[in-house]
Amino acid sequence: AQTVTQSQPEMSVQEAETVTLSCTYDTSESDYYLFWYKQPPSRQMILVIRQEAYKQQNATENRFSVNFQKAAKSFSLKISDSQLGDAAMYFCAYRSEKSDGNKLVFGAGTILRVKS
Amino acid sequence: DTGVSQNPRHKITKRGQNVTFRCDPISEHNRLYWYRQTLGQGPEFLTYFQNEAQLEKSRLLSDRFSAERPKGSFSTLEIQRTEQGDSAMYLCASSLGGAVPGAFFGQGTRLTVV
Repeated sequence: AQTVTQSQPEMSVQEAETVTLSCTYDTSESDYYLFWYKQPPSRQMILVIRQEAYKQQNATENRFSVNFQKAAKSFSLKISDSQLGDAAMYFCAYRSEKSDGNKLVFGAGTILRVKS
Repeated sequence: DTGVSQNPRHKITKRGQNVTFRCDPISEHNRLYWYRQTLGQGPEFLTYFQNEAQLEKSRLLSDRFSAERPKGSFSTLEIQRTEQGDSAMYLCASSLGGAVPGAFFGQGTRLTVV
């Protein structure tokens, strides 16, 4: 079974600075997707960014980018120019490419605090 | 509002009572998922539907839990004889098959069993 590990329970960043959230995963599969979800205090999970395992190029969405290291099974999220609205719980998630319903396997999350 | 909608947002119930939650997915999404999230943890998969068929259930889904999606649109999750350990946030998500990886989540139903 696949597992996702987020080793940082909590992180803090100064507004306008850059922060990196870590994620590692364990799988024997070669084809899969990885995601970062943001869960603000209102609790609705929002997709931030996704990465297809077959792509070598790291995904980027505006201020959000990932560092995908397939051999190391590492998938970190970098947030540039941090804003107060970035404060939330961030979850790393894995999804198999196989026909298993595309369910997501989540890590335990990292609380991100943004200081003004 | 075209997002995933869940009702109620909060539910407080006495131990032993039955509760039912409802999820309305994004209209064109054929896949619907239920997850459970306890405080400080990531969501854990419970079950998923493709249209009206329930195709997978987690071992977390004891026989006190039942989910339905009768017409392939909205879904209900019922918990019978609630226990304090059932207290959690129940999240619903939907997706459009496997074409677009990543699911859209509702705001969840927070269940408190007293």
